[in-house]
Amino acid sequence: DAGITQSPRHKVTETGTPVTLRCHQTENHRYMYWYRQDPGHGLRLIHYSYGVKDTDKGEVSDGYSVSRSKTEDFLLTLESATSSQTSVYFCAISEGEGNTEAFFGQGTRLTVV
Amino acid sequence: SQQGEEDPQALSIQEGENATMNCSYKTSINNLQWYRQNSGRGLVHLILIRSNEREKHSGRLRVTLDTSKKSSSLLITASRAADTASYFCATVGFGGATNKLIFGTGTLLAVQP
Repeated sequence: DAGITQSPRHKVTETGTPVTLRCHQTENHRYMYWYRQDPGHGLRLIHYSYGVKDTDKGEVSDGYSVSRSKTEDFLLTLESATSSQTSVYFCAISEGEGNTEAFFGQGTRLTVV
Repeated sequence: SQQGEEDPQALSIQEGENATMNCSYKTSINNLQWYRQNSGRGLVHLILIRSNEREKHSGRLRVTLDTSKKSSSLLITASRAADTASYFCATVGFGGATNKLIFGTGTLLAVQP
């Protein structure tokens, strides 16, 4: 398995609270992604990063922010969690520079009550 | 909206039969990739086809790409019960951060033993 670790793996939180999910890689890959997966929607890109401090929005970025201060860590923050953000969140990495195959973490199941 | 749309949404076949899944996308691409997801797990990369390629093989997998129709197909030959999973296409476009990886909604394949 590619060296990707997501934490936590499961979390239950209350509406209105901030939540941070962490993705840690040991592959030194340039690109990191956050996706959410919901029934009937497949995977939707939230934010991605193409280098330290370089990030951009994806398809469903409202209510989410990200930070990447080190190559190995990509943080996803739900600023004020809502029930619509209940989902499974996946982190992925890719080397880039012509090699775009992505490797995925095991996912974080987030429930907002 | 998502770049890729898979068809059919669900497919049920008998072991030994071939399975064909289709993917349509909307904008020009650099490459198209197929991934598999076993229930509750992260996605695993299967095969990548570049925009200047028309067909690619990997083991029992055959992928075709028709850029004029903005469509791709994944054929799994001689299917096995272990092929039961969800299959997703993903596209990488041009320009900007060129490793932006956008997924479709997926096809759920069930192979009956």
